[in-house]
Amino acid sequence: DAGVTQSPTHLIKTRGQQVTLRCSPKSGHDTVSWYQQALGQGPQFIFQYYEEEERQRGNFPDRFSGHQFPNYSSELNVNALLLGDSALYLCASSWGQEPPYEQYFGPGTRLTVT
Amino acid sequence: QKEVEQDPGPLSVPEGAIVSLNCTYSNSAFQYFMWYRQYSRKGPELLMYTYSSGNKEDGRFTAQVDKSSKYISLFIRDSQPSDSATYLCARSMEYGNKLVFGAGTILRVKS
Repeated sequence: DAGVTQSPTHLIKTRGQQVTLRCSPKSGHDTVSWYQQALGQGPQFIFQYYEEEERQRGNFPDRFSGHQFPNYSSELNVNALLLGDSALYLCASSWGQEPPYEQYFGPGTRLTVT
Repeated sequence: QKEVEQDPGPLSVPEGAIVSLNCTYSNSAFQYFMWYRQYSRKGPELLMYTYSSGNKEDGRFTAQVDKSSKYISLFIRDSQPSDSATYLCARSMEYGNKLVFGAGTILRVKS
């Protein structure tokens, strides 16, 4: 049973560029959440997708956008990259919209903005 | 005040010791509490979750929630060097799937 997968593993971009990160959820999961983890910090919630719609959003600017596809996979897009966007981007998947909301994380994509 | 607070450590213990990891939270509406383990340069791994108050045990791990004092604990018995990692506590609301994490506690188990 494949767990949550993310691509690419590492990415180096220049300030002002745009980036797209990809996530495939765990088999049987239909909800995908994205988190940003800065060095030495806990993950910060960016947004969540369910039924191809953004259901919840954290305190992130509109430069951060996403999409969920009919097969439940998801993309995170970040425009006009800033140096402060350098972080580990984590995708988590879960099933449904009822508690206990067990979320399983992928290995992450490490983004470096220079 | 942060919603979920953890002592960042590092916490260093000898192999075989009982480890106590703790979090406090500020919002009494929190319902579910999770513990994740994160090895260096890896994604967080769900260890266990608890609902409301009480204890939950899974092998060498015990999670405890005290809602009256807004305190969450994870106990690790017979700690092993392979337990060396960052431990993250998180909470979710009853409605909605968003997780709010603490900053994590670094644990080092010395052999």
